[in-house]
Amino acid sequence: AQSVAQPEDQVNVAEGNPLTVKCTYSVSGNPYLFWYVQYPNRGLQFLLKYITGDNLVKGSYGFEAEFNKSQTSFHLKKPSALVSDSALYFCAVRPPGSGGYQKVTFGIGTKLQVIP
Amino acid sequence: DSGVTQTPKHLITATGQRVTLRCSPRSGDLSVYWYQQSLDQGLQFLIQYYNGEERAKGNILERFSAQQFPDLHSELNLSSLELGDSALYFCASSVALQGAQSYTFGSGTRLTVV
Repeated sequence: AQSVAQPEDQVNVAEGNPLTVKCTYSVSGNPYLFWYVQYPNRGLQFLLKYITGDNLVKGSYGFEAEFNKSQTSFHLKKPSALVSDSALYFCAVRPPGSGGYQKVTFGIGTKLQVIP
Repeated sequence: DSGVTQTPKHLITATGQRVTLRCSPRSGDLSVYWYQQSLDQGLQFLIQYYNGEERAKGNILERFSAQQFPDLHSELNLSSLELGDSALYFCASSVALQGAQSYTFGSGTRLTVV
């Protein structure tokens, strides 16, 4: 069975500092990996995804994520945090495959708090 | 505006009642997914429809049902409601059935069962 772990319930970072939100996964084969962000009273918004190729993926709002196959991780990063980045971040994994439905599993979410 | 419309935004109802949540997917999207978000359970997949047909079931209770209509909008029916059903219910849509596509989420329906 596939699973996603976000080991930190909350990450606090000072504005202007780099941020990292951690995600590890467990799935057979080479997965599709996603990051979503949820602002208060809003639905999830897609940030970026890894399918194949370059391990460093760039996404919206200056975020990027690094795929590490040996560590089965897909950490979300940003070089300089903004107060407006404060939100709930979800990592998600989908196993590859053809034919039929491949379930997307979301992590529990990590609350990012950027301190002015 | 993500393009996925969910109504109503808020719903307060009593235990034992039945409610219907509605979702209109983003234009051109054929797949609709329903998720339940609660503080202790995170985001739980309930059910997926593709072009009118049920394609996958997740942790959906027997008291819950859903359907997707010919115009592609979807409804999630929750019956015999219990206090524990209080949660945010999200609908998401995507163009196709599978692959590496991302989902587009609606803003959710906050259900409070009292």
